[in-house]
Amino acid sequence: GAVVSQHPSRVICKSGTSVKIECRSLDFQATTMFWYRQFPKQSLMLMATSNEGSKATYEQGVEKDKFLINHASLTLSTLTVTSAHPEDSSFYICSAGQGAGYGYTFGSGTRLTVV
Amino acid sequence: AQTVTQSQPEMSVQEAETVTLSCTYDTSESDYYLFWYKQPPSRQMILVIRQEAYKQQNATENRFSVNFQKAAKSFSLKISDSQLGDAAMYFCAYRSAGETSGSRLTFGEGTQLTVNP
Repeated sequence: GAVVSQHPSRVICKSGTSVKIECRSLDFQATTMFWYRQFPKQSLMLMATSNEGSKATYEQGVEKDKFLINHASLTLSTLTVTSAHPEDSSFYICSAGQGAGYGYTFGSGTRLTVV
Repeated sequence: AQTVTQSQPEMSVQEAETVTLSCTYDTSESDYYLFWYKQPPSRQMILVIRQEAYKQQNATENRFSVNFQKAAKSFSLKISDSQLGDAAMYFCAYRSAGETSGSRLTFGEGTQLTVNP
């Protein structure tokens, strides 16, 4: 079945630094990947849609200069949290799909803690 | 815009019993897909079951089945013979049938299921 690998699973960084999270589709090509943020006991909040070879589409209220997304190949999308602050601490999840109706496969998530 | 509503923030069930989780949605589209995802404490999102709107037959996957009522825009999940491993947050999700960037998943708020031994 479709597998999406997300790394790192946990990261602690200092305030003001940048952190990169990788999302890879291991056994299929993904022209579109999605990045979510999830707070404890809450639903997933879509941050942006990552499109291979073009600019990402950000949801309203998401700072595109803070959350940089790059989708340089059909199997890799990256989310870089720039100039991280403690309020950026959260659980970030990526997902990718193989086509309409198949649903999406999710990465295992990244717990980001900014100190 | 589509919306998905899960009106039960928490549910509990005794092991081996049956439980039904509710989900309603709002859309003006006629062709779409509905999903139930499970998120255990590991926080890994796992697809439980999917339903294609143009199919009248309710989807089933082993102990999991849905009651899809298209006219009522209702999509409930029934878990039979509940097991301790079923304890998780369950999310109902909607996806348009098109392949455009609009084919994002819209999630409900989630239902936390507890399974009591």
